[in-house]
Amino acid sequence: DAGVIQSPRHEVTEMGQEVTLRCKPISGHDYLFWYRQTMMRGLELLIYFNNNVPIDDSGMPEDRFSAKMPNASFSTLKIQPSEPRDSAVYFCASSLTAGNNEQFFGPGTRLTVL
Amino acid sequence: GQQVMQIPQYQHVQEGEDFTTYCNSSTTLSNIQWYKQRPGGHPVFLIQLVKSGEVKKQKRLTFQFGEAKKNSSLHITATQTTDVGTYFCAGHTYEGTSYGKLTFGQGTILTVHP
Repeated sequence: DAGVIQSPRHEVTEMGQEVTLRCKPISGHDYLFWYRQTMMRGLELLIYFNNNVPIDDSGMPEDRFSAKMPNASFSTLKIQPSEPRDSAVYFCASSLTAGNNEQFFGPGTRLTVL
Repeated sequence: GQQVMQIPQYQHVQEGEDFTTYCNSSTTLSNIQWYKQRPGGHPVFLIQLVKSGEVKKQKRLTFQFGEAKKNSSLHITATQTTDVGTYFCAGHTYEGTSYGKLTFGQGTILTVHP
């Protein structure tokens, strides 16, 4: 298995632009998680899905952030409009079941908003 | 909501010295997981502890789960330069709306001087 796949690996954009991050979880995993990592705030859970349904989006910073999972093999995290404070590494992770199984993280997308 | 505190934030050691990081939860946990993130990499699962008072070993790494299932520790004996990275604990509870969600500690950044 190729593991969790994320694209792009690096994204540099200007303030106000729309950014879309993509994730392909490991086949057969029922849970998908989006995290954001910064030096100041550490690793934060933004949202997670179970069987393509959003379960908890309480970590989504504000309305500029949205996430979708149209099918079991694809998810997107969109930021519109982007701001410099959104600069971070965004990780996608997947797991077989909830909580009591290890999460497999993707390589991350390093986002820089100028 | 559930909070997981981890100390110390940073630890610098000479190669061959021991290292310990501690994790404390504001609530009783169902299980706790430990992850390692190499510089520039993504978090990688190390181990999961489930039972009260559980102790697990992986070569030079020893993991403990407290009797009350609210704290945990990771101890590395005789550190090596390959141990460099950030070590995260992540707690899970089956209760309420947090089901399926891991709450990560802030992480301990370990530097090993040769």
